[in-house]
Amino acid sequence: QQQVKQSPQSLIVQKGGISIINCAYENTAFDYFPWYQQFPGKGPALLIAIRPDVSEKKEGRFTISFNKSAKQFSLHIMDSQPGDSATYFCAAQGDYKLSFGAGTTVTVRA
Amino acid sequence: KAGVTQTPRYLIKTRGQQVTLSCSPISGHRSVSWYQQTPGQGLQFLFEYFSETQRNKGNFPGRFSGRQFSNSRSEMNVSTLELGDSALYLCASSLWGVYSGGYTFGSGTRLTVV
Repeated sequence: QQQVKQSPQSLIVQKGGISIINCAYENTAFDYFPWYQQFPGKGPALLIAIRPDVSEKKEGRFTISFNKSAKQFSLHIMDSQPGDSATYFCAAQGDYKLSFGAGTTVTVRA
Repeated sequence: KAGVTQTPRYLIKTRGQQVTLSCSPISGHRSVSWYQQTPGQGLQFLFEYFSETQRNKGNFPGRFSGRQFSNSRSEMNVSTLELGDSALYLCASSLWGVYSGGYTFGSGTRLTVV
């Protein structure tokens, strides 16, 4: 079964807009929550990650918000650029493995 | 520094054959994991190795196997290939596999079974 649920499946945003992707998990044993960005023909690349004892982490235009009690976390992409057009995966790490969400295809219109 | 290197990049095999995929992790990384990516099932965990020991295995049939060598390089093998094994196979490496800043993925091996 899908241990990490991700939504939406796809989104379109105008250049300069904000993209928001949400994820939810069930297993409280997860101890690390990374986000990956994947371009066609490439492997996923680590974008930003957060530990469950932190509620927010920001790196440049990318911010993770983490709600431990609700078992939810989200990625915000500020000032979206055409180069951000890619598929984004949330993941949860535990027991020496990553459990991935289904992915969100983000399209940024110029 | 060099990233995770996977060979070959593309492979076409016939149903019933077997295949071996290779992965060279980032220098110094001792944890190597394998994932299968398909449009229908997404990214699914196959197995993880650390210092030549398998620490976890995903829910795949016994036809899927792997190993890690003393230099941390890893191989995975799929025997008796089925059409459904067509996928992008991704290798990822990490320093320790836990609390170590996440996994770095290679570009993958695209396996097509005909």
